[in-house]
Amino acid sequence: NAGVTQTPKFQVLKTGQSMTLQCAQDMNHNSMYWYRQDPGMGLRLIYYSASEGTTDKGEVPNGYNVSRLNKREFSLRLESAAPSQTSVYFCASMRQTGTSNSYEQYFGPGTRLTVT
Amino acid sequence: GENVEQHPSTLSVQEGDSAVIKCTYSDSASNYFPWYKQELGKRPQLIIDIRSNVGEKKDQRIAVTLNKTAKHFSLHITETQPEDSAVYFCAPSGGGADGLTFGKGTHLIIQP
Repeated sequence: NAGVTQTPKFQVLKTGQSMTLQCAQDMNHNSMYWYRQDPGMGLRLIYYSASEGTTDKGEVPNGYNVSRLNKREFSLRLESAAPSQTSVYFCASMRQTGTSNSYEQYFGPGTRLTVT
Repeated sequence: GENVEQHPSTLSVQEGDSAVIKCTYSDSASNYFPWYKQELGKRPQLIIDIRSNVGEKKDQRIAVTLNKTAKHFSLHITETQPEDSAVYFCAPSGGGADGLTFGKGTHLIIQP
């Protein structure tokens, strides 16, 4: 089991360029998430997908789009990158069952993105 | 939305001493209270969580206590060791699939 994987690990973009961050999980989890982490800010939710076929905005969705390609894969797209989007991006997944006592989220290793 | 605050933002303790980190939240509908640990350069990982029908939970040297009336919960680490040095985040939630609202984190430093 690889768990949650993300590509790429590092990326440098120029302002205005676009790119897609890829995320995949092999744990058969229903829900998937994208967070960004900035120094002193904790992790903030960008978008999430509660189940295959659905996506919803989180706290900081502006400038991003997402696609839940299938149950395994959830991608994050920056259409026109801005310096304010320099951050570390984490993908996460959660099994989510109605009877579960835990809603543990499993995180990927992160993508460090710099926009110049 | 949920307003989450953690205190302190930095905590330095001597190895072997105890550490306590407090998390306050605003949404009275929150019923799931996890703590995540993030080592430098690594991903966050769940270390302990509690549901609102339980007041305390222990797992070896770590424990979480919940005061739902006052809307705060705390992480307790006893007999601290160098490997406890990390940033700790609380993330209270309603327990569904909506994603977590994280506190800004507490940097725990274990002094030898």
